[in-house]
Amino acid sequence: QSALTQPRSVSGSPGQSVTISCTGTSSDVGGYNYVSWYQQHPGKAPKLIIYDVSDRPSGVPDRFSGSKSGNTASLTISGLQAEDEADYCCCSYAGSYTYVFGTGTKVTVL
Amino acid sequence: QVQLQQWGAGLLKPSETLSLTCAVYGGSFSGYYWSWIRQPPGKGLEWIGEIYHSGSTTYDPSLKSRVTISVDTSKKQFSLKLTSVTAADTAVYYCARRYCSGGSCYWGAFDIWGQGTMVTVSS
Repeated sequence: QSALTQPRSVSGSPGQSVTISCTGTSSDVGGYNYVSWYQQHPGKAPKLIIYDVSDRPSGVPDRFSGSKSGNTASLTISGLQAEDEADYCCCSYAGSYTYVFGTGTKVTVL
Repeated sequence: QVQLQQWGAGLLKPSETLSLTCAVYGGSFSGYYWSWIRQPPGKGLEWIGEIYHSGSTTYDPSLKSRVTISVDTSKKQFSLKLTSVTAADTAVYYCARRYCSGGSCYWGAFDIWGQGTMVTVSS
């Protein structure tokens, strides 16, 4: 299975919204409502911020939201803050009890 | 508060076997799924495989022939072995727990991570 495709980078000013896409196939993103998103600061382990396409674990701000249409999932960060500058990566269930991650996107807060 | 502590050799020669162990502290081992995930330098995450506390496993198809994940429930530990390593296996390796709540475990939702181990394969 191939890695899910994400833009290499996105940027926005504080207070703005940015959206990161995550494109797969009907065998992964399009076939299941099991897409998760991770935030990763440099040198740190990833942090789960979205699961099951649009659910947030306890403690994750509601500025982070997820959605899916067809073979593409999206993460939107609203009201961008300086601490949101990080790498973001999607993950999808890919059938047969396996998973596939995305290529990763660097978010820059201007 | 659940924590994962991982350890293992950080420098290997080509053809050697990578061996890492992850221990669970401060929480239950049973009832959860435990994964190994890696991140090559400057690249995205790659899922390696997962094991249930009972010992049932699943692996990424591209690594399946070289990977073994095992569990020691008495020690609340799980381990990764990757044989015949090459430079392409150079990465930070993480252990992680799949998020479970209210009797359900969520696909691809890894909520607790180890600190990561940098493994370099070089002659």
